[in-house]
Amino acid sequence: GESVGLHLPTLSVQEGDNSIINCAYSNSASDYFIWYKQESGKGPQFIIDIRSNMDKRQGQRVTVLLNKTVKHLSLQIAATQPGDSAVYFCASTGTASKLTFGTGTRLQVTL
Amino acid sequence: NAGVMQNPRHLVRRRGQEARLRCSPMKGHSHVYWYRQLPEEGLKFMVYLQKENIIDESGMPKERFSAEFPKEGPSILRIQQVVRGDSAAYFCASSGKGDFEQYFGPGTRLTVT
Repeated sequence: GESVGLHLPTLSVQEGDNSIINCAYSNSASDYFIWYKQESGKGPQFIIDIRSNMDKRQGQRVTVLLNKTVKHLSLQIAATQPGDSAVYFCASTGTASKLTFGTGTRLQVTL
Repeated sequence: NAGVMQNPRHLVRRRGQEARLRCSPMKGHSHVYWYRQLPEEGLKFMVYLQKENIIDESGMPKERFSAEFPKEGPSILRIQQVVRGDSAAYFCASSGKGDFEQYFGPGTRLTVT
């Protein structure tokens, strides 16, 4: 079955540094990927998405990279701020239906 | 433009009672998804509904759990005869027709005592 996993459970970065959060997926049929941010006690918040026909997409301070050859996804956050502290999930789907989530990476921003 | 709304935000039930969780999708969205999240874990898909139809319930436990999305009113996730293992955060998400992007509500945190 499809699974989405993360390499590191916790990532600690200093304020102002760049953060890179990684994710591996197993289902080669996945064609849509999303990164979500979840703060304590809240629901997942959409950050950025990418389709399988792309290898890079940029947003405001965030970039998602997709490597279909090795089934790897990463989220890069530039100039990390204290407000970026949260748990980050990658999710994927092969159709416009259910999302498969990874277990999450906790990002801690130190001053 | 109101986002996805869920209520109650917190729900405490004793073992054996019923839990009803409600979800109102974003305005204009006709697709609703329910996910369950255990502490320190990712979200797990439960069920996908459109108005008056269950599209995919492959993540729903076979017993005690049911979901509906009536023509009028919110989507309901119903858990009968709750057990301690049902304690979790339940999130609802909605999307527009044909859209991949799902928007999540704030969740209902169910505690079974």
